[in-house]
Amino acid sequence: QQPVQSPQAVILREGEDAVINCSSSKALYSVHWYRQKHGEAPVFLMILLKGGEQKGHEKISASFNEKKQQSSLYLTASQLSYSGTYFCGTETQGGSEKLVFGKGTKLTVNP
Amino acid sequence: EAGVAQSPRYKIIEKRQSVAFWCNPISGHATLYWYQQILGQGPKLLIQFQNNGVVDDSQLPKDRFSAERLKGVDSTLKIQPAKLEDSAVYLCASSLVKGGRGYATYEQYFGPGTRLTVT
Repeated sequence: QQPVQSPQAVILREGEDAVINCSSSKALYSVHWYRQKHGEAPVFLMILLKGGEQKGHEKISASFNEKKQQSSLYLTASQLSYSGTYFCGTETQGGSEKLVFGKGTKLTVNP
Repeated sequence: EAGVAQSPRYKIIEKRQSVAFWCNPISGHATLYWYQQILGQGPKLLIQFQNNGVVDDSQLPKDRFSAERLKGVDSTLKIQPAKLEDSAVYLCASSLVKGGRGYATYEQYFGPGTRLTVT
């Protein structure tokens, strides 16, 4: 079952904050976040494990609400380099190493 | 550390022709994936290998797609015959499990992809 991401697209000015959500109808073991720039391969950002803590990567952090089967990606004080499409990948079976990706959220950061 | 290598980067073929893609994963990564990414969509898993065995190929259109991973390293994905709807970017990824019991994690590393256009 493909996770649902929202919003589909967001436009920011440099320095503004954004939140990208990922929700699943199935119980999740882990949530992985990736960023893909146009014409490039997806790049791993972070993984949120069931029972784990909120993760952070510079000014990008994420949380995982196990009860709601949701994860949120927080981008604070956005930079031009944050532009791209963000995908969440969800794993429902621990140890499967199998991800189902959402349709993505396109983030545009303008000067 | 070298990344995931894929070739060719671009391929244009006519419908009903055949095509093959090659992937060389990161050294030591036991798990290899082939994804199909249609424009504006997230990657869709086609097949997952663990060493040279197939773990999941439930979404692989087996009437036209085939994949193999000989000796548990390189992999090839073939389409025969191609259809217009096969136009997409084909991504190869590999992963390595880190950690131990109860907290194993992994990261998938993607190659640059092959952009296939079927006319």
